[in-house]
Amino acid sequence: NAGVIQTPRHKVTGKGQEATLWCEPISGHSAVFWYRQTIVQGLEFLTYFRNQAPIDDSGMPKERFSAQMPNQSHSTLKIQSTQPQDSAVYLCASSPPGVDTQYFGPGTRLLVL
Amino acid sequence: QEKVQQSPESLIVPEGAMSSLNCTFSNSASQSIWWYQQHPGKGPEALISIFSNGNKKEGRLTVYLNRASLHVSLHIRDSQPSDSAVYLCAVNYNQGKLIFGQGTKLSIKP
Repeated sequence: NAGVIQTPRHKVTGKGQEATLWCEPISGHSAVFWYRQTIVQGLEFLTYFRNQAPIDDSGMPKERFSAQMPNQSHSTLKIQSTQPQDSAVYLCASSPPGVDTQYFGPGTRLLVL
Repeated sequence: QEKVQQSPESLIVPEGAMSSLNCTFSNSASQSIWWYQQHPGKGPEALISIFSNGNKKEGRLTVYLNRASLHVSLHIRDSQPSDSAVYLCAVNYNQGKLIFGQGTKLSIKP
């Protein structure tokens, strides 16, 4: 079991560019979660999917951020027109059906210059 | 807005001693309370969870929950250098998202 896979592990973008982050959940898991971690704000919830359907996006910034789950084996988080304040570690987690435990990936460290 | 607060921010404990970490949350209607461990450069890893008032023991870990006082604590018996990490308290609302505290950095001194 490879665990949750996130790619890339590190990404550097210039201000105003687009960044797409990928997450492959653990096989058989039905829920996928996205979080963002910074020193100042800590670990913050962004959005989650269950059985590929969007359930709660209450933590997503309303502009520039979007998430999709086109199939059960991957999810993407897209940030348009990146800003320096978007610099953070973006973490993806997945959960099996009927279980509360969230299994986290190693994260993608995004740096916006 | 749900809030989770952890104390202390950092803790140094001698090897072999008990480590005690605290967490308060803002909403008694929360579901499960989780403790996660995070090492530098890694994602958080679930350690133990509790739902009902009282305590739960797993190996060297014991967690106590008091919903009336909105307080949960984690105790690590016989602390080892490998326990050095950041410990995150998280509250699960609506069977989905986790709301995390800011974390406690635990250092075990050999």
